[in-house]
Amino acid sequence: NAGVTQTPKFQVLKTGQSMTLQCAQDMNHNSMYWYRQDPGMGLRLIYYSASEGTTDKGEVPNGYNVSRLNKREFSLRLESAAPSQTSVYFCATKGRKTGTNYGYTFGSGTRLTVV
Amino acid sequence: QQPVQSPQAVILREGEDAVINCSSSKALYSVHWYRQKHGEAPVFLMILLKGGEQKGHEKISASFNEKKQQSSLYLTASQLSYSGTYFCGTEKSTDKLIFGTGTRLQVFP
Repeated sequence: NAGVTQTPKFQVLKTGQSMTLQCAQDMNHNSMYWYRQDPGMGLRLIYYSASEGTTDKGEVPNGYNVSRLNKREFSLRLESAAPSQTSVYFCATKGRKTGTNYGYTFGSGTRLTVV
Repeated sequence: QQPVQSPQAVILREGEDAVINCSSSKALYSVHWYRQKHGEAPVFLMILLKGGEQKGHEKISASFNEKKQQSSLYLTASQLSYSGTYFCGTEKSTDKLIFGTGTRLQVFP
């Protein structure tokens, strides 16, 4: 039972290159999220998907696109990477209310550097 | 709008207590609390719902004042393992969590 799996764990891109960050969950949760965390800062919501087939913008969506491929997978794409997108990216999930614990579960993160 | 946490940083000796506050300008559905250790992902501690309060751990508890849109996290008899950065997160609906500015907690022997 892996929970939330993110790939890759580390990536270095050149300015202007594109890439897709992958996220998969085996928790059968409906909602999935992408956050970014800059050094010494809090987490900011990029995009989220409340259910399969839906996506919505978060606080900082510019420069990103997402795809909710199915219930398990939610990918984040950088079409033309910029140095300002250097950050740690976290994927997270949240299930519907079950019992008393329905907090968010995070993946281990992707550390992205754009040079 | 991002919730504001205070203080920004706390330094404690083992066994001391601490309180971390979280304030929002918006009406809230719930407040979450997470702890993040350096280089790791945030870990869920507890959630407080509008109209109620949930105690997640024996020595870590929290309150939620709906009228003031404020929450406080109480850490009692701190241990070395409590060190890390604490984030509150607020939800106006059930589908989107916005994180606070963070409070860095360091516990020394």
